[in-house]
Amino acid sequence: EIVLTQSPGTLSLSPGERATLSCRASQSVTNNYLAWYRQTPGQAPRLLIYGASTRATGIPARFSGSGSGTDFTLTISRLEPEDFAVYYCQQYGHSPTFGQGTKLEI
Amino acid sequence: QVQLVQSGAEVKKPGSSVKVSCKASGGTFSSYPISWVRQAPGQGFEWMGGIIPIFGRAHYAQKFQGRVTITADESTSTAYMELSSLTSEDTALYYCARGDAGTELDYWGQGTLVTVSS
Repeated sequence: EIVLTQSPGTLSLSPGERATLSCRASQSVTNNYLAWYRQTPGQAPRLLIYGASTRATGIPARFSGSGSGTDFTLTISRLEPEDFAVYYCQQYGHSPTFGQGTKLEI
Repeated sequence: QVQLVQSGAEVKKPGSSVKVSCKASGGTFSSYPISWVRQAPGQGFEWMGGIIPIFGRAHYAQKFQGRVTITADESTSTAYMELSSLTSEDTALYYCARGDAGTELDYWGQGTLVTVSS
């Protein structure tokens, strides 16, 4: 099983600032099958990025994903109020697994 | 626009089973994969397994092998997840989502809370 470790656990920033979230895999992720999701309280997760760097439909350009192999990054260029939430990475290779999440707070 | 609508909350006794449904609309149900993912209170996510309805054969995470059964009914565009031998550790929000191993989870149901309590 591929273990995904996200850092930091909590990130405190202000609207308009830049956020950088990390996801490290215990082994190389097949075909860079790495996705990022945002979850707000009481809601289902929303897909932001797939294939490590492709924005999902309707996701604004301030979200970008990068990385390959075992190290991946989600960057939010200018934080909007709705971006303060919990972010999860997921590898969707043979047996999908999720990271433990990064809470982005004001 | 794909929509996944799940059945309502359940309260179950330890040792019993629960069956959660996920009705799809929009898209072509038979040909896209459906996964089941759970989230325990205040915790992260666990992928439980997935199915492609047109093929009818499900595959499961090792942790849940032998205890979970995922099925799909093409005639009603509905997927099901049945979990048996429930314990308090199974108390969680259960989500269905479009996607599986090899594809991202791009649409999610609203979640079904399953509470296991004596």
